[in-house]
Amino acid sequence: GAVVSQHPSWVICKSGTSVKIECRSLDFQATTMFWYRQFPKQSLMLMATSNEGSKATYEQGVEKDKFLINHASLTLSTLTVTSAHPEDSSFYICSALLLGGTGANVLTFGAGSRLTVL
Amino acid sequence: RKEVEQDPGPFNVPEGATVAFNCTYSNSASQSFFWYRQDCRKEPKLLMSVYSSGNEDGRFTAQLNRASQYISLLIRDSKLSDSATYLCVVTDNYGQNFVFGPGTRLSVLP
Repeated sequence: GAVVSQHPSWVICKSGTSVKIECRSLDFQATTMFWYRQFPKQSLMLMATSNEGSKATYEQGVEKDKFLINHASLTLSTLTVTSAHPEDSSFYICSALLLGGTGANVLTFGAGSRLTVL
Repeated sequence: RKEVEQDPGPFNVPEGATVAFNCTYSNSASQSFFWYRQDCRKEPKLLMSVYSSGNEDGRFTAQLNRASQYISLLIRDSKLSDSATYLCVVTDNYGQNFVFGPGTRLSVLP
């Protein structure tokens, strides 16, 4: 089945530093990946749609200069949280779109990255 | 109106109970429908797709009513391991953008 690997699972960093999170589709090519953020006991919030070879599309209210997304290959998208602050501490989850051909497209998630900014 | 709405929950049910979750969506041109489950502090995982004719997977039955823009999930003989948040997911008319409902939390009690 389709597998999405996300790394790192946990990261603790100092305020002001940048953190990069990687999302890889292991056994399929993903032209489209999504990045989400989820605060404790809250719903999943879509941050941006990452398209291979083009600029990401950010949701309203998400700062593109703070959350840099790069989707340079068909199997890898990265999210960099720049100049992280404690309020950026959250659970970041990526997903990849598996095209279904004649069937429905399916979304497969990475295991998530828990970021704590001190 | 939100794009995807779900029962607010939480649902607390005893083991063995039957529980039903409801979901409504606003885009009448939505192409695909799913139920995902999310365990605490974990990523969402696909539970089942939802087809117009209705579909069943073991103890789980999903129904779709396009005319009413309504989706349901029925869990029979609930187990402790069914405790999770259940997310209703609807795509746009191209099947490429996925919209998640806020989720309904289920706790199955011994």
